[in-house]
Amino acid sequence: AQSVTQPDIHITVSEGASLELRCNYSYGATPYLFWYVQSPGQGLQLLLKYFSGDTLVQGIKGFEAEFKRSQSSFNLRKPSVHWSDAAEYFCAVGGGYQKVTFGIGTKLQVIP
Amino acid sequence: NAGVTQTPKFQVLKTGQSMTLQCAQDMNHNSMYWYRQDPGMGLRLIYYSASEGTTDKGEVPNGYNVSRLNKREFSLRLESAAPSQTSVYFCASREGSLDGPYGYTFGSGTRLTIV
Repeated sequence: AQSVTQPDIHITVSEGASLELRCNYSYGATPYLFWYVQSPGQGLQLLLKYFSGDTLVQGIKGFEAEFKRSQSSFNLRKPSVHWSDAAEYFCAVGGGYQKVTFGIGTKLQVIP
Repeated sequence: NAGVTQTPKFQVLKTGQSMTLQCAQDMNHNSMYWYRQDPGMGLRLIYYSASEGTTDKGEVPNGYNVSRLNKREFSLRLESAAPSQTSVYFCASREGSLDGPYGYTFGSGTRLTIV
């Protein structure tokens, strides 16, 4: 069965510092991979996705993620974090419309 | 550009009461989904609809029913609410084919409390 692991429940970074959120997945074939962001009281918004081609994908809000097949990872990065990036981030994996599995999320706190 | 609209945003129910959560999307998407979000558990799929006229069970369908009224609307019904159904419910829609690499568009959620 497919699964997603986000090992960090909570991360705190200083504004202006770089950010990396970890995501590991288990999937039998080449997966579709997604990162979503959820601000308090809001639904999830798609940041970026990977399904083929270049393993470094760019998303909205200055985020990027790198697919590493050998490590079964799809880590999210941002070079310089802004206070408005404080939110919860979800990694998801899926290969078909009914089989998208979400991780439990990583809550990001940004301190001035 | 409304996207996915859910109503109501908040609701408190007594155990045993019934209610319907409404969801509508204006993006002409074929697929629609209902998820519940609970602390420490991520999002879990309740039901989905690949196209108008079809619905299928997801990971946690017990205690719920759905109706795909038309291409735009997908409702979730709790027939006899239980405290275990206290959660935040999200509706989502998705463009494209059944097995394509398309992300979801989510509504802003319904926070439901069963007392």
